[in-house]
Amino acid sequence: EPEVTQTPSHQVTQMGQEVILRCVPISNHLYFYWYRQILGQKVEFLVSFYNNEISEKSEIFDDQFSVERPDGSNFTLKIRSTKLEDSAMYFCASGSGATDTQYFGPGTRLTVL
Amino acid sequence: DQQVKQNSPSLSVQEGRISILNCDYTNSMFDYFLWYKKYPAEGPTFLISISSIKDKNEDGRFTVFLNKSAKHLSLHIVPSQPGDSAVYFCAASDGDSNYQLIWGAGTKLIIKP
Repeated sequence: EPEVTQTPSHQVTQMGQEVILRCVPISNHLYFYWYRQILGQKVEFLVSFYNNEISEKSEIFDDQFSVERPDGSNFTLKIRSTKLEDSAMYFCASGSGATDTQYFGPGTRLTVL
Repeated sequence: DQQVKQNSPSLSVQEGRISILNCDYTNSMFDYFLWYKKYPAEGPTFLISISSIKDKNEDGRFTVFLNKSAKHLSLHIVPSQPGDSAVYFCAASDGDSNYQLIWGAGTKLIIKP
């Protein structure tokens, strides 16, 4: 069964460093998403991406964040200068249509020291 | 801003009995509701969804009920099995912003043998 994959499973970085979180969505999906979950808090929407551009983004997704689909398979989330409060689980999701079910990857745990 | 609320942080149910997980929402524009299940260290897994034009959707042991007037939905699991022990998230989206899911805080379901 096709699935969304994410790498790395755990990323530790120093505050101020750039990180890139990688996702491989399900191959025939066209809509891509990033969510995050700070420990003990709700899952929060960050951004959605379709047709090589951002469709929607939340207030959390400020200028420090960017997304890219550099090739036909990867979907990346970059945080330019990490802050302590960026420590969270980051989930990538993909869907075949705008209103269709989103399928989630296993997540990347980001720890900012 | 808690548009989607799951008021029970945890629920304990005997194996073989019915598990009922509840979710309330405040945004009357929501028209699509989903339940996800999450095991520790894994991403959310889609379980079942319901559109606002329906009041019930069933898939095997899982049934979701929607009461639009009360802005309430529930997930019934019958019969409950040990493998159902997980955190269950309710999520919703609206037609105008159907790219993003708004999540509840989750309910931890524990199935006792």
